[in-house]
Amino acid sequence: QSVVTQAPSASATPGQRVTISCSGGSSNIGRNAVSWYQQLPGAAPRLLIYNNNERPSGVPDRFSGSRSGTSASLAISGLQSEDEADYYCASWDDSLFALVFGGGTRLTVL
Amino acid sequence: EVQVLESGGDLVHPGGSLRLSCVVSGFSFARYALSWVRQAPGKGLQWVASFSGSGGDTYYTDSVKGRFTISRDNSKSTLYLQMNSLRVDDTGVYYCATNGGAAFYYYNSMDVWGKGTAVAVSS
Repeated sequence: QSVVTQAPSASATPGQRVTISCSGGSSNIGRNAVSWYQQLPGAAPRLLIYNNNERPSGVPDRFSGSRSGTSASLAISGLQSEDEADYYCASWDDSLFALVFGGGTRLTVL
Repeated sequence: EVQVLESGGDLVHPGGSLRLSCVVSGFSFARYALSWVRQAPGKGLQWVASFSGSGGDTYYTDSVKGRFTISRDNSKSTLYLQMNSLRVDDTGVYYCATNGGAAFYYYNSMDVWGKGTAVAVSS
């Protein structure tokens, strides 16, 4: 059981906006930056968001991140079929002195 | 373009040892932190270990402390993970990733990932 939790699944139809949430505590998300990763089926993970809301070059602006208190969110607008993947959040935890990943959310594009 | 290439994964018996390697190209290797992240079959991502850049600190997840050692050879742009006393629950794909700066504590996003190398621990 991770100290950072995500809903195991989410779904939406093409063109919609979907939000994936990541819930933590005061020792992780509440005080440290959050990053988000996309893992397509059979592929390695890819960085989508770092430092809560910054996008690396090459990541479409359909992907956006935010943090509020001890929770963080990844929003995907204009959903496309190729967005069907597992999404993970991560944050440093000062109590565990470890980087913690959320359990992942599997996004299905209906 | 930064490229990350892992190698060294294999099938090993419980209690055995393995050394993983990760070569990074197109990158100022010595200046950045580097990390290992693993994924058990059908499971999520788990951070394993990291090594800060510029001769910095090392970090480990609790379950591998005392068994795994992360090291780096800046002259070869290579990161290593020496894994001893392997257990069945160490099975998975091990990914190497670059981090966003020298100090892993501050720059702990996993920026560029390799394709991974598979480790299977089984009798």
